[in-house]
Amino acid sequence: EAGVAQSPRYKIIEKRQSVAFWCNPISGHATLYWYQQILGQGPKLLIQFQNNGVVDDSQLPKDRFSAERLKGVDSTLKIQPAKLEDSAVYLCASSLVAVEQYFGPGTRLTVT
Amino acid sequence: LAKTTQPISMDSYEGQEVNITCSHNNIATNDYITWYQQFPSQGPRFIIQGYKTKVTNEVASLFIPADRKSSTLSLPRVSLSDTAVYYCLVGAPLAQGGKLIFGQGTELSVKP
Repeated sequence: EAGVAQSPRYKIIEKRQSVAFWCNPISGHATLYWYQQILGQGPKLLIQFQNNGVVDDSQLPKDRFSAERLKGVDSTLKIQPAKLEDSAVYLCASSLVAVEQYFGPGTRLTVT
Repeated sequence: LAKTTQPISMDSYEGQEVNITCSHNNIATNDYITWYQQFPSQGPRFIIQGYKTKVTNEVASLFIPADRKSSTLSLPRVSLSDTAVYYCLVGAPLAQGGKLIFGQGTELSVKP
């Protein structure tokens, strides 16, 4: 069974630029999550989708972050414009039966 | 949401049993205790989940006392490859709308 795929794995941008991350969850997983993990901290949930609807986006900085999940499969997370404090690893996860989440390898973003 | 407290770091040697204790004094009646493992440059991976008493799988054991205010993750005979960050999470099951709230985790270092 293929795992959660994310791309790119690494991205370096300058502040005020925009960036987008892509996630392909495990086939059949209805629930998809995006997390932000700052160095030395645990992951923080940004947004949760159930199929293509948003379940929870309470911690998503909506003035600069946006996410979508078209057709209930792939998802993209966008940051526009980026700030220095957005430097982090962005993790995508998906789940089917609600016991565990399966995480992708993450995208490491560096904002200079 | 119940807050968890766990040691920031632990050291061990190959072949030893490692016990990581997590305190969660404000655990709610319907909360479960879940542990995730995270290797560098990877997303977290589910290890084990329990509600009370003892749960064991092929990777670890989880001990939960009757008052459920703490729990202990036990890793038998650790190897160098068990060096990782271990997160204790407490919350309602995902099936009941629960979320994964990650703390800082315990950084386990296994030495030869």
